[in-house]
Amino acid sequence: DGGITQSPKYLFRKEGQNVTLSCEQNLNHDAMYWYRQDPGQGLRLIYYSQIVNDFQKGDIAEGYSVSREKKESFPLTVTSAQKNPTAFYLCASGGVEAEAFFGQGTRLTVV
Amino acid sequence: DQQVKQNSPSLSVQEGRISILNCDYTNSMFDYFLWYKKYPAEGPTFLISISSIKDKNEDGRFTVFLNKSAKHLSLHIVPSQPGDSAVYFCAARQYGNKLVFGAGTILRVKS
Repeated sequence: DGGITQSPKYLFRKEGQNVTLSCEQNLNHDAMYWYRQDPGQGLRLIYYSQIVNDFQKGDIAEGYSVSREKKESFPLTVTSAQKNPTAFYLCASGGVEAEAFFGQGTRLTVV
Repeated sequence: DQQVKQNSPSLSVQEGRISILNCDYTNSMFDYFLWYKKYPAEGPTFLISISSIKDKNEDGRFTVFLNKSAKHLSLHIVPSQPGDSAVYFCAARQYGNKLVFGAGTILRVKS
């Protein structure tokens, strides 16, 4: 089955810890994205990647890091520098057409 | 600086009637516009898109209209059904595959 998979669905982090959110796609898409959604708000772009080994900062990249070593994978690390990391994180991928397809999301909670 | 704006936080419509969701943008370099539907704790689902060179695209009950001179697009859902109740996001793509989202509009379809 083709699709985009995020894991884990729920993640708890202690203050001061780094955590990595996984995003894998088998749609053969070049572009991949990470968004953050806070309660009652829209989707804000953290990072995006157009091609392997290349990525660009979005609107709220501070406190986050990414890598794109493989076409299928675009992991997001939430570092201790991110002051308010509790949120719903969404990964997406897109091909030559404009539409991007989303995973089911990871809810990160700082405890 | 919000490049994509959805000024109505919510909309309530009677079943069978038309739902009209609106979106305004500021960047004239956007080349594609998209609409997504989202349920709580899930990833957004792609609904319909329109290229900046067109003014209308239709897919079943969903029609998107683009007015480039006004930098405005709208999504029409006819007839509205209770299952359409969700949050609707407008998105725009700019050069380099960067996708920018609006804040969303909550649609409630009453039966």
